[in-house]
Amino acid sequence: AQSVTQLGSHVSVSEGALVLLRCNYSSSVPPYLFWYVQYPNQGLQLLLKYTTGATLVKGINGFEAEFKKSETSFHLTKPSAHMSDAAEYFCAASLYGNKLVFGAGTILRVKS
Amino acid sequence: DGGITQSPKYLFRKEGQNVTLSCEQNLNHDAMYWYRQDPGQGLRLIYYSQIVNDFQKGDIAEGYSVSREKKESFPLTVTSAQKNPTAFYLCASSIAEIRGLQPQHFGDGTRLSIL
Repeated sequence: AQSVTQLGSHVSVSEGALVLLRCNYSSSVPPYLFWYVQYPNQGLQLLLKYTTGATLVKGINGFEAEFKKSETSFHLTKPSAHMSDAAEYFCAASLYGNKLVFGAGTILRVKS
Repeated sequence: DGGITQSPKYLFRKEGQNVTLSCEQNLNHDAMYWYRQDPGQGLRLIYYSQIVNDFQKGDIAEGYSVSREKKESFPLTVTSAQKNPTAFYLCASSIAEIRGLQPQHFGDGTRLSIL
């Protein structure tokens, strides 16, 4: 069965520092991959997705992610953290059909 | 604006009571989903529906029921058989597409608590 692992349930960075949130998937066939963000007591908002083509994907709010098949990874990065980036981030994968498998989430804290 | 509306935002259930969570979308999506979110566990799929009058169990369907009588609506009933219903429930929708590359769009959730 396909699974998604997010390394680090909590990540803390200083404002202006690099944000790196890690995601690995387990599948012999590369799935479609998504990153979502969730603010407290709200639903999930799509940040970016990888389907096919370019392995570096740019999303909203300055985030980007790189698909690396050899490492089965899809890490999320942002060059400079902003206070408004504090939220929970979820990596998700789909193989066939519309069902998504989610990672456990990473809570990002941004220190001033 | 198109989107997904979940109601109520907060819901309280007494022991032995069934409660129904509402989910309505005006995105013209065929596929709809219900997830349960618990701290540190990500989102787990309860039920999903790819088309009207059809739905399938997800990973944690026990103690829950759904219906899909209209394209726009996918209500979830939490029955008394669900012994640990306290959680945040999220409804989502997407274009139904076999390859799985369509993103899901989410409502703002319903937080269910036990009295």
